[in-house]
Amino acid sequence: DTGVSQDPRHKITKRGQNVTFRCDPISEHNRLYWYRQTLGQGPEFLTYFQNEAQLEKSRLLSDRFSAERPKGSFSTLEIQRTEQGDSAMYLCASSSGTGSFYTFGSGTRLTVV
Amino acid sequence: LAKTTQPISMDSYEGQEVNITCSHNNIATNDYITWYQQFPSQGPRFIIQGYKTKVTNEVASLFIPADRKSSTLSLPRVSLSDTAVYYCLVQMNRDDKIIFGKGTRLHILP
Repeated sequence: DTGVSQDPRHKITKRGQNVTFRCDPISEHNRLYWYRQTLGQGPEFLTYFQNEAQLEKSRLLSDRFSAERPKGSFSTLEIQRTEQGDSAMYLCASSSGTGSFYTFGSGTRLTVV
Repeated sequence: LAKTTQPISMDSYEGQEVNITCSHNNIATNDYITWYQQFPSQGPRFIIQGYKTKVTNEVASLFIPADRKSSTLSLPRVSLSDTAVYYCLVQMNRDDKIIFGKGTRLHILP
């Protein structure tokens, strides 16, 4: 297992289009997290899953955002009707449980033009 | 969640020891102190975690005084490749997410 994988690494899209990102966590990790990071800021929590259950969603996650983890393995984050303010690095992380450290992927950089 | 305060930026020179101090005045009994490192265009990377006194690994040392209201990350003999953002986090044992602040931008000069 080589760690947390995110795909794509970069995505440029036109405003109003839908985009979907994928995250493959470390296989034995049951927790998966999505964060968003803009330039000069620390990562902001968006949502997290324990196995296939989505247990918490940040208020930052508007109704245009949806995340899934259908089989408790990989996860997808979809943004509908993208806006320029959605431009950011979207980071995925996984962990083995409460109090355990997170392993982050390299992120997907989204640019909305 | 316990709030953390750390310097916005620091400069140091290659070969020096760098100490980054973080304050977390309202840390709770079950909270752990965790540090992450982030390079540009990469996700954060776990460095070290501790509860009290001193923890050391191959990368860094973490010093935590008895009152646990602060902690110091110590990087021995830094190199240019240690230039990064360092985040101090208080990770609740029973919470399910970690919250990042703005971190400390460490710039190592030749």
